[in-house]
Amino acid sequence: AQTVTQSQPEMSVQEAETVTLSCTYDTSESDYYLFWYKQPPSRQMILVIRQEAYKQQNATENRFSVNFQKAAKSFSLKISDSQLGDAAMYFCAYRRGNSGGSNYKLTFGKGTLLTVNP
Amino acid sequence: ETGVTQTPRHLVMGMTNKKSLKCEQHLGHNAMYWYKQSAKKPLELMFVYSLEERVENNSVPSRFSPECPNSSHLFLHLHTLQPEDSALYLCASSQDLGGMGADTQYFGPGTRLTVL
Repeated sequence: AQTVTQSQPEMSVQEAETVTLSCTYDTSESDYYLFWYKQPPSRQMILVIRQEAYKQQNATENRFSVNFQKAAKSFSLKISDSQLGDAAMYFCAYRRGNSGGSNYKLTFGKGTLLTVNP
Repeated sequence: ETGVTQTPRHLVMGMTNKKSLKCEQHLGHNAMYWYKQSAKKPLELMFVYSLEERVENNSVPSRFSPECPNSSHLFLHLHTLQPEDSALYLCASSQDLGGMGADTQYFGPGTRLTVL
């Protein structure tokens, strides 16, 4: 079974600084997708960024980028120029690839609570 | 309204009550999901529907009863719950179940349920 581990229950960053959130996962499959979701106090889970395992290039979305290390099964999220609105719980998630059964299932980590200090 | 909406946002119920949670998606998606989010635990997938057919029941107790009357609406009927069922219940939808359409799940804001 796949597992997703977020080893940092809480992180804090100064506004305008950069922070990196860690995520590791365990899978025996070669085809899969990885996601970072953000859950602000409003509780709505919002997709931040996604990475296809077959792509070597790290995904980037504006101030958010990932460091995908497939061999190490590591998928960290870097937030640059942190803003107060970035404060939220961040969840790392895994989904098996399109060739696998039940590939709609997302496996989530326990989350990292990010605080942004003004 | 846009996206995925859920009502009510907060619900307090006794163990003998019957209540229902409602989810509506305005995205034209074909698949809908119920998740349970408890403190300090990963999100747990409860039920999955595709084109109004249930395709997943993740060993959820029968006191939780889902209903999907059409592809835009999803309900979770609650009956004789236990205090340990208190949690945030999230609804999500995706374009389809399989293939690229299942890639992104869009979540609602959740219902905070407290069982006394």
